[in-house]
Amino acid sequence: KNEVEQSPQNLTAQEGEFITINCSYSVGISALHWLQQHPGGGIVSLFMLSSGKKKHGRLIATINIQEKHSSLHITASHPRDSAVYICAVGGSQGNLIFGKGTKLSVKP
Amino acid sequence: KAGVTQTPRYLIKTRGQQVTLSCSPISGHRSVSWYQQTPGQGLQFLFEYFSETQRNKGNFPGRFSGRQFSNSRSEMNVSTLELGDSALYLCASSLVPEKLFFGSGTQLSVL
Repeated sequence: KNEVEQSPQNLTAQEGEFITINCSYSVGISALHWLQQHPGGGIVSLFMLSSGKKKHGRLIATINIQEKHSSLHITASHPRDSAVYICAVGGSQGNLIFGKGTKLSVKP
Repeated sequence: KAGVTQTPRYLIKTRGQQVTLSCSPISGHRSVSWYQQTPGQGLQFLFEYFSETQRNKGNFPGRFSGRQFSNSRSEMNVSTLELGDSALYLCASSLVPEKLFFGSGTQLSVL
């Protein structure tokens, strides 16, 4: 079993829909990151969370430390949101452990 | 402000050779971390440097090594290349742990 599990693996949505991507982890963490990777490889760091909730524009990230679960929400989705979203947790040894990613495609 | 620069962008090597990849962080960033991305394993953490010292290391064999210079530029070296080392190698720099800035990566192909 992977230490960081993301669901779903693939997600297709219509423009304007509300999107949720989930991340569950089984290790003790210091923090959790959400990353966005566009075709061509470029990765952008969206959020780092250690508790609660963060919001940036149409993106909202939440984390529940007790349940070892985080969600990334996208409101009013747009085709430019199409990308792979990756969850990564900061391990006890200072390393990062990554999920396999969720490939999101938003259709116009 | 210039972003994180990785060179070269593409590299083709043969088995048994060694390779050195370079990463120039954003000015003022003292932390540089390296990652390997493959279709099968996804992203994996290699190591992190801060002020010329390796602070953390992932679970990779000793053939993978790195260093950081006094100007924060970092290099990673892979010796005795294997076919399985074919991957996208990414580096990231940060001023604070909350925000990582990634380079575009070096695509390494081992033939």
